[in-house]
Amino acid sequence: KAGVTQTPRYLIKTRGQQVTLSCSPISGHRSVSWYQQTPGQGLQFLFEYFSETQRNKGNFPGRFSGRQFSNSRSEMNVSTLELGDSALYLCASSLDSTESYEQYFGPGTRLTVT
Amino acid sequence: AQTVTQSQPEMSVQEAETVTLSCTYDTSESDYYLFWYKQPPSRQMILVIRQEAYKQQNATENRFSVNFQKAAKSFSLKISDSQLGDAAMYFCAYTGTASKLTFGTGTRLQVTL
Repeated sequence: KAGVTQTPRYLIKTRGQQVTLSCSPISGHRSVSWYQQTPGQGLQFLFEYFSETQRNKGNFPGRFSGRQFSNSRSEMNVSTLELGDSALYLCASSLDSTESYEQYFGPGTRLTVT
Repeated sequence: AQTVTQSQPEMSVQEAETVTLSCTYDTSESDYYLFWYKQPPSRQMILVIRQEAYKQQNATENRFSVNFQKAAKSFSLKISDSQLGDAAMYFCAYTGTASKLTFGTGTRLQVTL
């Protein structure tokens, strides 16, 4: 079974631009979560989508948004990019059954804002 | 809010030896899961082991085992017969009813010959 895939792997953007990152979960997984990883703040939860609905949201400004499609693929969007948005963005998927809360991660998208 | 604390920023172990990474957490929830993830230089987060809070038996996966002390809110990872490929950042993580992972700050493990 294929793992979680994220595209693109690397991205360079300029301040003020917007960016869209994509995540394809493991087949059969219905929950997709996004995390931001930076040297200063560590790993922080952005949001989680389940059945095309945002179920949980972390403490990030409204510039960070996401969505999930009917095939469970998810996208996250960051508008009006700031230098501080430079980070590794990780996507994780899970079955979201009562028997498994394990989240499996993709390779990440490294975003650099200049 | 739940918190996860890893007090060892760096650890070092010789190949074939055993090392224990520490993790404590704080929560008021009764049902939750704890995990250890490994992040090698490739930055790919790899699930190492999980523990359900309702299970008293400590989880084991090959050379990896945990010491789960629920009352003390402690969840340490023991790596036996350490190998060069074990060198990585190790993150302790918690998830409860919110279905999100809360991570510790990580422990960088070095494996020496």
